[in-house]
Amino acid sequence: GDSVTQMEGPVTLSEEAFLTINCTYTATGYPSLFWYVQYPGEGLQLLLKATKADDKGSNKGFEATYRKETTSFHLEKGSVQVSDSAVYFCALSDRTQGGSEKLVFGKGTKLTVNP
Amino acid sequence: DTAVSQTPKYLVTQMGNDKSIKCEQNLGHDTMYWYKQDSKKFLKIMFSYNNKELIINETVPNRFSPKSPDKAHLNLHINSLELGDSAVYFCASSQDLRSGTGYSPLHFGNGTRLTVT
Repeated sequence: GDSVTQMEGPVTLSEEAFLTINCTYTATGYPSLFWYVQYPGEGLQLLLKATKADDKGSNKGFEATYRKETTSFHLEKGSVQVSDSAVYFCALSDRTQGGSEKLVFGKGTKLTVNP
Repeated sequence: DTAVSQTPKYLVTQMGNDKSIKCEQNLGHDTMYWYKQDSKKFLKIMFSYNNKELIINETVPNRFSPKSPDKAHLNLHINSLELGDSAVYFCASSQDLRSGTGYSPLHFGNGTRLTVT
């Protein structure tokens, strides 16, 4: 079945450092790709998405580009802030059925940004 | 004004017991989900409901029984709890993807950490 692999954490950076979290996927067809973020004590929330090859999703300074040739969707941010400390989940949409969407998630990468 | 709320936040119980986790959303969404995050942090879908109708039912033991009294609520009842049921359970909701109102991301609750001893 479809699967998502993302880099093992935890990742610890200093404020204003460059961030990359790698994500690769295995899927039949051309799924939509997502990054979700979970801040401490909260539920997951959508950070950005891309629905087809070469699409770039962006939000809050984060970017990720849908690369079909490398089956990747790496998350990047040029200058992280302490407030970016969270767990980041890469995901793909496996299928939709009856109005529902089945998301397949990676394991999550915990990011800690120090001042 | 929490969008997706689930209770309890923590649940500690013994093997063999029956327990329930409740979920409510005030977003007016038609679709609700239960996801399980295991000890290795994998987050996997268990069930989805659309307007009280079961849509997605992944390979889940029949000890797990979701119940949706109305489209704003989706509760999860677990019978005869086992050690392997220990996990964090997340409820989520979204608009019906067929509604024509554009893409609707999933909105998650804060999770219920279940520990079976």
